[in-house]
Amino acid sequence: KQEVTQIPAALSVPEGENLVLNCSFTDSAIYNLQWFRQDPGKGLTSLLLIQSSQREQTSGRLNASLDKSSGRSTLYIAASQPGDSATYLCAVWDTDKLIFGTGTRLQVFP
Amino acid sequence: SAVISQKPSRDICQRGTSLTIQCQVDSQVTMMFWYRQQPGQSLTLIATANQGSEATYESGFVIDKFPISRPNLTFSTLTVSNMSPEDSSIYLCSVSGGRAQYFGPGTRLTVL
Repeated sequence: KQEVTQIPAALSVPEGENLVLNCSFTDSAIYNLQWFRQDPGKGLTSLLLIQSSQREQTSGRLNASLDKSSGRSTLYIAASQPGDSATYLCAVWDTDKLIFGTGTRLQVFP
Repeated sequence: SAVISQKPSRDICQRGTSLTIQCQVDSQVTMMFWYRQQPGQSLTLIATANQGSEATYESGFVIDKFPISRPNLTFSTLTVSNMSPEDSSIYLCSVSGGRAQYFGPGTRLTVL
């Protein structure tokens, strides 16, 4: 059974820092991996999608990497801003459904 | 990408009643998914709904409690039946597109 874990569970940093959020999964036979952002009480916004054949994807200040063999993905946020404060979720597409991680709650203070 | 809307955005309901949540997509999709997010938790898949067939429920979820309709390729409803406080959650509708998954804004349900 696929399990997805995210570390750390919470993170509080000053504005301007570069951040790394970690995601690990137990079964490397994934179809793809997707990172989402969730603002309090809101739905999910897709940030980056990495297909199983890819190693990384970039969008603006965000860079996500994927190492299937070790069952890991990282989300790198450069030059963090208060507007980046949210919960970040990684999810793996496993056979026929998306399995979510436990999330990292990020707070960036001015 | 797909644009997904949900109604209602939030509701407060009494124990024992039922609530139907609507999900509308701006394009035709084969599969629609319903998720639940309990307070402080991550998302859990309730069921997958294909147009013209019965929904497929995940372990721990049953049709009597969460009946789903899928009348066409752009619309689905999820009903939360005979509600209890434990059903207080955010319910999210989702669709697949181009190998990515897209989510609606969610329905925040509070059961008193």
